[in-house]
Parts: sequence; C-alpha cells; structure tokens
Amino acid sequence: GENVEQHPSTLSVQEGDSAVIKCTYSDSASNYFPWYKQELGKGPQLIIDIRSNVGEKKDQRIAVTLNKTAKHFSLHITETQPEDSAVYFCAASTESGYSTLTFGKGTMLLVSP
Amino acid sequence: GAVVSQHPSWVICKSGTSVKIECRSLDFQATTMFWYRQFPKQSLMLMATSNEGSKATYEQGVEKDKFLINHASLTLSTLTVTSAHPEDSSFYICSARESTVMNTEAFFGQGTRLTVV
Repeated sequence: GENVEQHPSTLSVQEGDSAVIKCTYSDSASNYFPWYKQELGKGPQLIIDIRSNVGEKKDQRIAVTLNKTAKHFSLHITETQPEDSAVYFCAASTESGYSTLTFGKGTMLLVSP
Repeated sequence: GAVVSQHPSWVICKSGTSVKIECRSLDFQATTMFWYRQFPKQSLMLMATSNEGSKATYEQGVEKDKFLINHASLTLSTLTVTSAHPEDSSFYICSARESTVMNTEAFFGQGTRLTVV
C-alpha cells in the first residue's frame, strides 16, 4: 500500500517568512496529491492539490510542486501570516472517487508575529 | 463548493452507551464515504470505507462490531460507536468524494469530538 512521509513535524517561522513542507510517497500509481489545513478542533480543509500531469500549481501565497520521478511533493507558503498557523497534512491517492487518501503525519506550522 | 456536514460536533456519553455520528454530503452524491479517527497531535487514521447499499470495508485492527457503519443513501453515512469506553474517546471525521465525477477532491466534515466518561 501507499506510504506517505512528511517533514518537518513542526515548523516555526516569523511572519512574512516562507514555509516549506515536504512529502514523499511510495506508490507510483498515486496521481493525486492534496494538501489540507487543519485548525484545532476542526476537520481538514483542502488548500491546494496537484495532479500528476503537472509539476507545479500556485494559488496566491500557496504553491505546490511535484516530482513524480523522485516521488516527492512540497507545499510552499510565502509571506506567512499568523492565521496560517495550523497543522498541515499532505496526502496521496489515485483520482477515483472510490480511492482512499493516505495521509502524512502532519506538520504543525507556527507563525509568530 | 461541495459540503460535507457531520453531526454532532461534540458528544459526551457514559461508558457502556452507544453513540451515533452522522455524515451527510449536502450537494453531491457520494457512493463512498470514509471514516477517520484522529488522536491528539496525530494524523488521520482511516477506520473504514462506507459503501452505499453494501457492507463497509474496515481497516485492519478496527472492530466491525464496535464501529457500526450504515450507508443507506447516496448522501448519508452513519457511524455508531457501540458500548463506548473511555479509550474510544477521540476525534472522528468523515470524508466523501463525488464518486461519479473524475478529478474530484475529497471533502471532510467538521469532525465529532467524542468523550466517553
């Protein structure tokens, strides 16, 4: 089955700095890679996703890159703000509606003012 | 956008009682829904895959008789924690994908905090 590794487990940055979270996956059949933000006591919220036919996707301050050959993908947050503080999870799956997501262990991001 | 609604958001129950958690897809049909459990400061652990009109598929180590799943319609799945004990206290989260549409994201409910006393 799929195995997703995520690093770092915690990340502290100053407001305005950039934050990078990295994930690797094991199953070459995976072709869908979402990133979720989870605030305390809430369910995960999708912030960006990428599919295997592209290498990079950007949405305002958030970007994701994918290297299928190396089986790794990364989340980049620029100009971080205190409200970006949360736990971020990467995941991998195939795109079928019947496929499960395999999650990384999460990264707690703390953005200090 | 698509919304998955989970109810209740929190529940406290006495040891030995049963608790039902509902998960609804509000504006799309989900043949398949997923139930996760999350302990503090940990990732989401898949418990079972709920299939409309058929039996759920449970992950290894998850007790089928303890965590009863019913997916009676294309928009509703329920998880019942039977004979709950304090060790069942956790954050339970459901998820759904619009099964008939390709390239679709997974939507999550807001989670249910279960505390067994």
